[in-house]
Amino acid sequence: ETGVTQTPRHLVMGMTNKKSLKCEQHLGHNAMYWYKQSAKKPLELMFVYSLEERVENNSVPSRFSPECPNSSHLFLHLHTLQPEDSALYLCASSQDRGFGANVLTFGAGSRLTVL
Amino acid sequence: DAKTTQPTSMDCAEGRAANLPCNHSTISGNEYVYWYRQIHSQGPQYIIHGLKNNETNEMASLIITEDRKSSTLILPHATLRDTAVYYCIVMGSQGGSEKLVFGKGTKLTVNP
Repeated sequence: ETGVTQTPRHLVMGMTNKKSLKCEQHLGHNAMYWYKQSAKKPLELMFVYSLEERVENNSVPSRFSPECPNSSHLFLHLHTLQPEDSALYLCASSQDRGFGANVLTFGAGSRLTVL
Repeated sequence: DAKTTQPTSMDCAEGRAANLPCNHSTISGNEYVYWYRQIHSQGPQYIIHGLKNNETNEMASLIITEDRKSSTLILPHATLRDTAVYYCIVMGSQGGSEKLVFGKGTKLTVNP
């Protein structure tokens, strides 16, 4: 399998649940990202990992907890979410974090609904 | 990073060329122009990028004006599958990949 794979594609959870989103890339990239896309809003960058180290955290609430165990896998752990957290969560990867024809490859996204 | 201005929406007939404009009048010398697109409910897809010269790949062509204040993405023979939101992004050479800021883009509808 190639590219960036996200699972699950759809997730419905209650506000007291704990769930995780998974992202896997098979491109040999060193940087991985989580983005959030709410309805009719631009993409918002949440977290950036470079060589498994978190390098950017864009003031994301602590109910979102990222984990990058290795350069191929990225998780987003979710707990006590709010209905306004319902959105499309997108994972992306790039060869490295720095510039230089650095193209982002996105996964298909995980559609999250919080009841 | 410079801001971009794109039309909110455009229509194109299937089989015809789709020309998507982007204004970036405050672009500086080291800033690149990137184009991505997002088909409904999927992740964005990289299309092309350039600095000064026109660029072409298997997906599209990018025409950048000589003063670099505007550019046009050309899909030479649009198909129904090209219906998507197209994002024009300007990013400098000093930023990390996270500096790629997605605005509202242009909603392109290709009609049969």
